[in-house]
Amino acid sequence: AQSVTQLDSHVSVSEGTPVLLRCNYSSSYSPSLFWYVQHPNKGLQLLLKYTSAATLVKGINGFEAEFKKSETSFHLTKPSAHMSDAAEYFCVVSNPYNFNKFYFGSGTKLNVKP
Amino acid sequence: GAGVSQSPSNKVTEKGKDVELRCDPISGHTALYWYRQRLGQGLEFLIYFQGNSAPDKSGLPSDRFSAERTGESVSTLTIQRTQQEDSAVYLCASSFGTSGGRRGNEQFFGPGTRLTVL
Repeated sequence: AQSVTQLDSHVSVSEGTPVLLRCNYSSSYSPSLFWYVQHPNKGLQLLLKYTSAATLVKGINGFEAEFKKSETSFHLTKPSAHMSDAAEYFCVVSNPYNFNKFYFGSGTKLNVKP
Repeated sequence: GAGVSQSPSNKVTEKGKDVELRCDPISGHTALYWYRQRLGQGLEFLIYFQGNSAPDKSGLPSDRFSAERTGESVSTLTIQRTQQEDSAVYLCASSFGTSGGRRGNEQFFGPGTRLTVL
């Protein structure tokens, strides 16, 4: 079975400081993992994805995530937050043996203070 | 190319009425998904279509909800006898939904239909 746990429902950081959004997954198979971002009143946009190549994945807007199998984690990081990063972030695991069905985490709302 | 489109973008209806929501996936995508997102909450899986296979309806919350898809194109989500708790944004997504261990097929999301049941 597949599932995702996003450990923080809300994260608040100051502009220019690092961002860490935590995600742990459970999967019966070697998973594919994704991070999506949803800005207010906007659609979901893919930030980055892990598909079994390099464990450190770089995405758009300076975000990156590291796949750690031993910790079953896929945390999202960014060295320096920008005001435009304020949004909701979803961690997703997919099952490659079930037509890549997606399992969403509950989301983390990121607030960036000036 | 064109992304996933949904219509209408907003729908206000009265309790007890039926509504129909439409999704046009990206051309060539065999997989299509419907999700519901209530205010301030995460995405709730509703139903999934993959090619000619039987749809995965495991997420539909009640028999008032149904969905159809014509081949690998348009899908409609129908909610009968709407209730106030059906108020939400309904999101559609499509992907190259392959199986057999092939991984990494991201889903592309439409802008959603905001449904308000008065």
